[in-house]
Amino acid sequence: AAGVIQSPRHLIKEKRETATLKCYPIPRHDTVYWYQQGPGQDPQFLISFYEKMQSDKGSIPDRFSAQQFSDYHSELNMSSLELGDSALYFCASSSTTGTSGSRYEQYFGPGTRLTVT
Amino acid sequence: AQTVTQSQPEMSVQEAETVTLSCTYDTSESNYYLFWYKQPPSRQMILVIRQEAYKQQNATENRFSVNFQKAAKSFSLKISDSQLGDTAMYFCAFMKLFQGAQKLVFGQGTRLTINP
Repeated sequence: AAGVIQSPRHLIKEKRETATLKCYPIPRHDTVYWYQQGPGQDPQFLISFYEKMQSDKGSIPDRFSAQQFSDYHSELNMSSLELGDSALYFCASSSTTGTSGSRYEQYFGPGTRLTVT
Repeated sequence: AQTVTQSQPEMSVQEAETVTLSCTYDTSESNYYLFWYKQPPSRQMILVIRQEAYKQQNATENRFSVNFQKAAKSFSLKISDSQLGDTAMYFCAFMKLFQGAQKLVFGQGTRLTINP
């Protein structure tokens, strides 16, 4: 079965640079979520999109922005990178048209490991 | 705000044994879902099991089952006949239901090691 695709898988940037992370949800999934997992920490919710509209926002810095496109893929744009932005960034997707229980299941991509030096 | 607590930072058992991971949560909501996710050394987040709060019956997926105690706000995961491949970090997660996308709130995780 097709899974969530994230690119790139690894990214090394310097401080103050910008980075763009891409996410391709499972086909026919209409909702995308972004999470950030720092070293030794649990994943923290950043932002979500449903049908190309922002649906919820967590502790996402103002330096970060995201959007979901007409083909449902999503991009997380990060500017003025700081050392503390080094983390594993997950994208997850779900479908609101699934069965009553499965529509709330989020399937995660492999993550993008961002290293800021 | 909802909080999820996993009080066991690390656990270790022998292969084929049964192990139970604990999770408690704090919420004033009545309509929510609970999940267990597994994160092996590859760092991939893998959905293990789902529990709807309105269901009294505990969810089961093959060797994985939960003990959901709604009044006590407890949601433990039992792994039967543990296998080496079960070695991973396990995260308990809470999801409040409302219109639109629903975010996951994770616990701190329990690192489980299965020894041969």
